[in-house]
Amino acid sequence: GDSVTQMEGPVTLSEEAFLTINCTYTATGYPSLFWYVQYPGEGLQLLLKATKADDKGSNKGFEATYRKETTSFHLEKGSVQVSDSAVYFCALSKPGNGGYNKLIFGAGTRLAVHP
Amino acid sequence: DAGITQSPRHKVTETGTPVTLRCHQTENHRYMYWYRQDPGHGLRLIHYSYGVKDTDKGEVSDGYSVSRSKTEDFLLTLESATSSQTSVYFCAISETGLRDGTEAFFGQGTRLTVV
Repeated sequence: GDSVTQMEGPVTLSEEAFLTINCTYTATGYPSLFWYVQYPGEGLQLLLKATKADDKGSNKGFEATYRKETTSFHLEKGSVQVSDSAVYFCALSKPGNGGYNKLIFGAGTRLAVHP
Repeated sequence: DAGITQSPRHKVTETGTPVTLRCHQTENHRYMYWYRQDPGHGLRLIHYSYGVKDTDKGEVSDGYSVSRSKTEDFLLTLESATSSQTSVYFCAISETGLRDGTEAFFGQGTRLTVV
């Protein structure tokens, strides 16, 4: 079945370090891909998305490129800040039974950034 | 921020008791979803609704029921709570049913502990 696999955390970085969080997916067809972020004590919010192959999503200095050939959507940021500490979820959306789209999430990766 | 309110935000209940969680939205979105979040599993879909009185099961629906009598309210009921249902529950809404790469908006979550 459809699934999303992302690297296990926690990821611990110093401020201004480079961040990569790997995400790969298994799905038939052409899913849309998302990164959601969950700050402590809050719900999920959309960070960025890409809807077709080779699209690059970007927001707040984060980027991810939809790579269909490697079925990947890795999240990157050139210089992390303490305020980026959160849990990051990779997800895909595609039609499910009944014709309604559903979101399928990875397990989440906790990022801790230290000064 | 999308107008989504979950209540209660925290609840401790005893095994075998019924529990109802409420999701209220002010966005007039047609689609509503209930997810549970557990370590190592990300978010998993419990039930969703595609209109008033129209609901369907997700991947982890056993032990849960839902109702939607008004556009703005989506209720999740645990008929007889078990310790395995200890989790954080998130409500989400979508205007388009997640089609065409559109995002879901999430509530702040309800932390439920079954003792």
